[in-house]
Amino acid sequence: GENVEQHPSTLSVQEGDSAVIKCTYSDSASNYFPWYKQELGKRPQLIIDIRSNVGEKKDQRIAVTLNKTAKHFSLHITETQPEDSAVYFCAASNPSSGYSTLTFGKGTMLLVSP
Amino acid sequence: KAGVTQTPRYLIKTRGQQVTLSCSPISGHRSVSWYQQTPGQGLQFLFEYFSETQRNKGNFPGRFSGRQFSNSRSEMNVSTLELGDSALYLCASSRTSSYNEQFFGPGTRLTVL
Repeated sequence: GENVEQHPSTLSVQEGDSAVIKCTYSDSASNYFPWYKQELGKRPQLIIDIRSNVGEKKDQRIAVTLNKTAKHFSLHITETQPEDSAVYFCAASNPSSGYSTLTFGKGTMLLVSP
Repeated sequence: KAGVTQTPRYLIKTRGQQVTLSCSPISGHRSVSWYQQTPGQGLQFLFEYFSETQRNKGNFPGRFSGRQFSNSRSEMNVSTLELGDSALYLCASSRTSSYNEQFFGPGTRLTVL
């Protein structure tokens, strides 16, 4: 089955800096890669996703890049703000399997200091 | 549009008991997936239901089961609870089984004593 590795497990940055979180996956058939943000005590929320027919997607201060050859994808957050502090999860899925099943990485705790 | 809802939000049980958790998906969503979240293992897939049928199952023992009703609401059941079952149980809904944008509910925090 699919296996998703996520690094780093914790990341501390100063407000205004950029943050990068990286994930690798094992199943070359996977072609949907969402990122979720989970604040303390809250539900995971989808913040951005990418499908394998594109290499990069941006939404304001966040962007995701995908390298299908190397089987890795990354989340980039620019101009970080204290409210970006949360745990971020990457995931991978193969929709052609007919299932919605997401395989998650172990998460990255991002701390943005003012 | 109302989001995914889960009941109850908190549960305390003792070893050996059983528990039933409920999930109501976003209106129009027909696929419901369940995940277990623990500090050590992260988010792990339990099972997925679509049109009242289990479409996929994760690597959990048979004590974990679920079902889906004709209105897409889903329940999961854990029998013979063990201490290690203490976790946050999250359900997520999506429009169809292969439409991957999944939206999570707030979760049910289960504590087994």
